[in-house]
Amino acid sequence: QSSLTQPASVSGSPGQSITLSCTGSSSDIGGFDYVSWYQQHPGKAPKVIIYDVTYRPSGVSNRFSGSKSGNTASLTISALQAEDEANYYCSSYTSAHIVLFGGGTKLTVL
Amino acid sequence: QFQLVQSGTEVKKPGASVKVSCKTSDDNFVINYITWVRQAPGQGLEWMGWISPNNGPTNYAPKLQGRVSMTTAISTRTAYMELQSLRSDDTAVYHCATGSTVTWFDSWGQGTLVTVSS
Repeated sequence: QSSLTQPASVSGSPGQSITLSCTGSSSDIGGFDYVSWYQQHPGKAPKVIIYDVTYRPSGVSNRFSGSKSGNTASLTISALQAEDEANYYCSSYTSAHIVLFGGGTKLTVL
Repeated sequence: QFQLVQSGTEVKKPGASVKVSCKTSDDNFVINYITWVRQAPGQGLEWMGWISPNNGPTNYAPKLQGRVSMTTAISTRTAYMELQSLRSDDTAVYHCATGSTVTWFDSWGQGTLVTVSS
């Protein structure tokens, strides 16, 4: 598999909750609890917001949460804010001992 | 998190090589991993591989095997990524990133734009 599958775009209004999906296979997402999520604003480096499926690094808002079911991982952003508008990438360790990224989802805050 | 400072923009011709550097302030440079990720213009992230500064084991993406080489200089806490036989589709921003594992990356360099054009 060349990459994980993410929807190209999602949108939501301020205050809403939205969920981004990331679909892989039993060789990556389904086989390991090593899913991470990165937020990237235009022209900036990515920033990790979730690692090991559900863990938040220090300093990341608790409005971000992660989960996994089977071969699909999800990122939920609650109480959406304008500053959340960015590109979001999922990644997973794989049975081939490499890391796969998703194609990215552009989140628009209406 | 640690500061990672990368070298500047590069413009190369097809067939040439490029070497990007990444200097870190990480006191644990030797025991952490350095991962390289690239991003073509308007595209997503692509994992390129990692190196462990401790004794230097590496793991490269299969599609880059044979063209990419990752090295480190422990004395200067600097990592290097060299890509050979450049093609136009190697045009991208190249990031170094670090972490205590190879599965996620908590500190990132600012990125180095490499343009391959005749």
